[in-house]
Amino acid sequence: DAGITQSPRYKITETGRQVTLMCHQTWSHSYMFWYRQDLGHGLRLIYYSAAADITDKGEVPDGYVVSRSKTENFPLTLESATRSQTSVYFCASSAGQRDGYTFGSGTRLTVV
Amino acid sequence: SQQGEEDPQALSIQEGENATMNCSYKTSINNLQWYRQNSGRGLVHLILIRSNEREKHSGRLRVTLDTSKKSSSLLITASRAADTASYFCATLGYGEWNFNKFYFGSGTKLNVKP
Repeated sequence: DAGITQSPRYKITETGRQVTLMCHQTWSHSYMFWYRQDLGHGLRLIYYSAAADITDKGEVPDGYVVSRSKTENFPLTLESATRSQTSVYFCASSAGQRDGYTFGSGTRLTVV
Repeated sequence: SQQGEEDPQALSIQEGENATMNCSYKTSINNLQWYRQNSGRGLVHLILIRSNEREKHSGRLRVTLDTSKKSSSLLITASRAADTASYFCATLGYGEWNFNKFYFGSGTKLNVKP
């Protein structure tokens, strides 16, 4: 199906564990993004990618790692999960810097 | 900060009424975008208006942009219960071809009562 999909939809993990959130888009959009959404903070950019093998930090990158070996995939890894990383994570893609973003449905991550 | 701020924070209206939400920002922009987020879902792109445009329409949506006042408004006409959602504006600073400078506001929560 065309679109942008995130998996898993929900995830509970323990403090200190590594967890990877997946994002896949079918449009061959150049740009992909990871945001986290928290009450009181709105949407904050974690990392973004302008093309395969090109990534850059956003506003809140600490504790996260990304990779983009293929244009369609942009996984986000929490190297050692902390409770402060409990959040809803959204992946998005865009064709260009002057275009709108398309968002995935989100992953609700709880770190216990 | 470039961040857009929506006003009001919350809005409750009856079905059939019009809903108006406002967004203010601080510096010159390249474009301004409006998004909708239904509870528990991702954001959906509604309209993009460029800095040299003053008004855009899409179905029941009308967006205006006043760059002299650094503000934008989103009008939803003849609202429906299905329009219940949070609405966000997002701005990309002029000349800022850097996604770190693409800011989302904190949103207006719209409740349309049937």
